[in-house]
Amino acid sequence: ETGVTQSPTHLIKTRGQQVTLRCSSQSGHNTVSWYQQALGQGPQFIFQYYREEENGRGNFPPRFSGLQFPNYSSELNVNALELDDSALYLCASGSLDYNEQFFGPGTRLTVL
Amino acid sequence: AQSVTQLGSHVSVSEGALVLLRCNYSSSVPPYLFWYVQYPNQGLQLLLKYTSAATLVKGINGFEAEFKKSETSFHLTKPSAHMSDAAEYFCAVSDMAGTALIFGKGTTLSVSS
Repeated sequence: ETGVTQSPTHLIKTRGQQVTLRCSSQSGHNTVSWYQQALGQGPQFIFQYYREEENGRGNFPPRFSGLQFPNYSSELNVNALELDDSALYLCASGSLDYNEQFFGPGTRLTVL
Repeated sequence: AQSVTQLGSHVSVSEGALVLLRCNYSSSVPPYLFWYVQYPNQGLQLLLKYTSAATLVKGINGFEAEFKKSETSFHLTKPSAHMSDAAEYFCAVSDMAGTALIFGKGTTLSVSS
């Protein structure tokens, strides 16, 4: 059992809107990473946070932003939503010491 | 740059048969390699990981994988498939900073009775 939780489970937005997704990390972990998984594809790395600072970023535009809080919970914010943003968004918590990431169940975002 | 290639987007086996899911990697440094499983409408569950301690890695649910540097491969096997093994399987490599996981496109495993 990973202990990583995400909310909401599902979300429907319209193009141009903004969305905030939330993640609660597993106890004892110090990194939080976000991934986008389009239908039929493998997850793609968006960014990672470590000690409340961005610690690496994938090939995603600045309208994808995040926060990590002192209790290691995290938010993913996406502005100016586009149809292609429709995907499963996965949060993963882990430890840089052990190079492991444990995934939450994901948030399914649909942009209409 | 690190990358992984999963050969075969769909593999079908009979219950009790050998499962073999193929993964080849590209890495300029000794890699950290992972196999994850994803059941429908769920997140990813770690099956096993390779961190250079041993070339044969045993994971959960009877799965194992063998790291072969000469073939740049990290294939996943299970001696006897069970119906509950039907899922999507992803091979992944850690980037050089140990920050991002780089995933393959996945292999769907179907198990028939």
